[in-house]
This record gives sequence, C-alpha cells and structure tokens, in this order.
Amino acid sequence: GAVVSQHPSRVICKSGTSVKIECRSLDFQATTMFWYRQFPKQSLMLMATSNEGSKATYEQGVEKDKFLINHASLTLSTLTVTSAHPEDSSFYICSARLQEHYGYTFGSGTRLTVV
Amino acid sequence: QKEVEQNSGPLSVPEGAIASLNCTYSDRGSQSFFWYRQYSGKSPELIMSIYSNGDKEDGRFTAQLNKASQYVSLLIRDSQPSDSATYLCAVNPRGRMDSSYKLIFGSGTRLLVRP
Repeated sequence: GAVVSQHPSRVICKSGTSVKIECRSLDFQATTMFWYRQFPKQSLMLMATSNEGSKATYEQGVEKDKFLINHASLTLSTLTVTSAHPEDSSFYICSARLQEHYGYTFGSGTRLTVV
Repeated sequence: QKEVEQNSGPLSVPEGAIASLNCTYSDRGSQSFFWYRQYSGKSPELIMSIYSNGDKEDGRFTAQLNKASQYVSLLIRDSQPSDSATYLCAVNPRGRMDSSYKLIFGSGTRLLVRP
C-alpha cells in the first residue's frame, strides 16, 4: 500500500535552533501533503496544507514564518520549525491524500522536544 | 460548535462485547468520513472510510453514516483488548470553497476493552 516515510521519529533540540522534518511518499506521488500537530491527550490539529510547486496554505493561528513548509517535488514535503521554543514541543505528523482511492495515509510522526 | 465532535470517553466494554463510537459534524456539505485508530505515541491508522448513507462493513468493523442527522458511527464487534486505543473521527468538508480536501479531526474517543 501507499507509504509515507517520515523522519526523524524523535528529535531533541535546544531552544532557538531550527529543526527540519521530512515526509516522503515512497510508492506514489503526493501532490498534496497535510501537516498536523498533536499535543498530549489532544486531537490532531491541522497546521497547513502543502501543494507541490506552490505556497502552503496555513490554518488560522499558525505562524507561517515559524513553520516553513516546502513541497518542491511530488515525493517530498518538509516542515521546518524555526527558532524552536519549548512550547513547540509536540508530535508532528504528515499526511498525504491518495488521489486514486481518495483516502489519506499518515507518516509515523515526529516527536519534537525543545529544551 | 466544534466542526467534528466526539465523546472523549473512556468507553469501557468487556472483551467480546460490541463497542459503539459516535461522531457528529457541523458542515452539512461534508462528503467523506473516516475512522482512524491511534495507539499512544503512534500516528493514526485508517480503519474505515464511508461516503454514502447507510452501513459499511469490514470484518469486525461497521461504519454507519446518516447525512441528514450529520452523524457517523463505528461499531466494533467482538471487541478485543488489542482494540483499546483512541478512535478518531475525521471529516472532509468538501462543501466549503476552501476545503481543499483537508481532514478535520474530532478530539477522539478512548476505548478500553477489559479482558
């Protein structure tokens, strides 16, 4: 089946540094990728929608200059958390829409801890 | 009013019983509905998708959709302890101009199956 590979699975970084999270679609082309954030015991909150070759669309309240999204190819989308702070510590998950079957597949998630 | 609402639970059922999980949504133009299972610390995995009114069965799982009532449910027959997880209802509000196929998640219902 369609697989989205997400890396890294865990990352610890110092406050003020930047962290890049990658999501690759392994056996299909993902024209659209969604980025979610999940805090403990809460649901997935959509942060932004990225479309290959165009600017990402951010949800209300999400700082686009802090969460940089790049979707330069049909198989790779990246999320960069810039100038990370402890409140950015969360579980970040990407998801790709499968055009043929109209379903969605998720990456395995990245646990970000900012110290 | 939240776009997708679920009872947070926990819903506790004995092994072998039927677990019934419910979800309501606010956007009447929504077209696609999904149930995901999420274990602690893991990303969601798709259980069922449903697009038309009525029931859809897959093994021990049955999804039910009633668009007039804006209600979708998931029944799990012969519940097993391994079914203990958080179940997320997700809706694609394609009726909106700005929906762009994104999924909106409910807060999830925690299911506990007692041995």
